[in-house]
Amino acid sequence: GQSLEQPSEVTAVEGAIVQINCTYQTSGFYGLSWYQQHDGGAPTFLSYNGLDGLEETGRFSSFLSRSDSYGYLLLQELQMKDSASYFCAVRDRSNQGGKLIFGQGTELSVKP
Amino acid sequence: DGGITQSPKYLFRKEGQNVTLSCEQNLNHDAMYWYRQDPGQGLRLIYYSQIVNDFQKGDIAEGYSVSREKKESFPLTVTSAQKNPTAFYLCASSPVDREGGYTFGSGTRLTVV
Repeated sequence: GQSLEQPSEVTAVEGAIVQINCTYQTSGFYGLSWYQQHDGGAPTFLSYNGLDGLEETGRFSSFLSRSDSYGYLLLQELQMKDSASYFCAVRDRSNQGGKLIFGQGTELSVKP
Repeated sequence: DGGITQSPKYLFRKEGQNVTLSCEQNLNHDAMYWYRQDPGQGLRLIYYSQIVNDFQKGDIAEGYSVSREKKESFPLTVTSAQKNPTAFYLCASSPVDREGGYTFGSGTRLTVV
């Protein structure tokens, strides 16, 4: 089966840098994605890593190490609006469409 | 603008009733998905469909049914067989490829009264 582990909550201060880790176990692997969800809202796609290394999109970066089955989301210059839940997700290789399996989510609280 | 629309935003169901949640997309995506989210939890897959007139069960399909008669639409019925239906339901769509991110609807919050 598939499973993903990420910390349940993280707290940081405005302007700081925070890293949210994700480890996964899958029967097949297409790539690691990250989603942001504000309370009561729709998850929004942040980033995708299909190959090892770092992907940067503005203040957010995501990293993948396939040999370690590990990735992380790095948020820089934290802002209050970054307070949200962050989910890592992997595609299941068992079908062509690639359904996503989500982690339990990490609740990030940004303090002034 | 392209997007994915879920309705209603809030839904109240009496025990023993079936209810249908609507999900429509105009993104021309082939694949559509239904997820359930409980408070403080991740997203669990109920059903998914990669092509019209075909769909597969996800991890928690019991007590739910779907149809995919049109590419744009993927309604979810929560039947009376679902013993604990109170949850936040999210519909998503994506291109059928390895790198396409999901686009989610704004969700339907279902409460059993």
